[in-house]
Amino acid sequence: QLVLTQSPSASASLGASVKLTCTLSSGHSSYAIAWHQQQPEKGPRYLMRLNSDGSHSKGDGIPDRFSGSSSGAERYLTISSLQSEDEADYYCQTWGTGIPWVFGGGTKLTVL
Amino acid sequence: QVQLQESGPGLVKPSETLSLTCSVSGGSVSSSSYYWSWIRQPPGKGLEWIGYIYYSGSINYNPSLKSRVTISVDTSKNQFSLNLTSVTAADTAVYYCAGGQSLNPWGQGTLVTVSS
Repeated sequence: QLVLTQSPSASASLGASVKLTCTLSSGHSSYAIAWHQQQPEKGPRYLMRLNSDGSHSKGDGIPDRFSGSSSGAERYLTISSLQSEDEADYYCQTWGTGIPWVFGGGTKLTVL
Repeated sequence: QVQLQESGPGLVKPSETLSLTCSVSGGSVSSSSYYWSWIRQPPGKGLEWIGYIYYSGSINYNPSLKSRVTISVDTSKNQFSLNLTSVTAADTAVYYCAGGQSLNPWGQGTLVTVSS
């Protein structure tokens, strides 16, 4: 069964960097994922698609401060030079042909 | 670029059918580039994928909702729709439509409350 696991929370200081992790379940380490940001009281926004080789394609208008990387079954979202507006929930999501698509539980990022 | 907009009743009675429409602009609902999905988010909770329809008519639903869900496309109106039958309070959520396997773009979402 395809499952995505995220830590419920993370925090980092203004101006610092943070790396969020999304882990694919056993047997699914080749899957691409997408990262989505949901700011308070807003709908989700697509950030990027992240492939197993670490290549990624960002959405329109997504700052260079947002980047993605991969290692095995782990998919990472790194946000550098943290700003107050980066405080949000971050969800990873994946898909496959003929199987249920899946979201991770989300990580709530607090900018200190 | 493709933009999506959800519409439908904001209040549905228990046991009735929830019906929502997603209007597609800037692109065609018949495009092979997009899987058209519905996602929901109960208040204070995470995102739940409901299902998708592909331009070819291929459909895939969340097994937990499969018995109650129908997603369809209306090419004449460039829209796709969600029907969820026999709703209960647990179906109260913000409902989003989205395009593509990586859910880009998203609609702005619409709150549906199930209450008598």
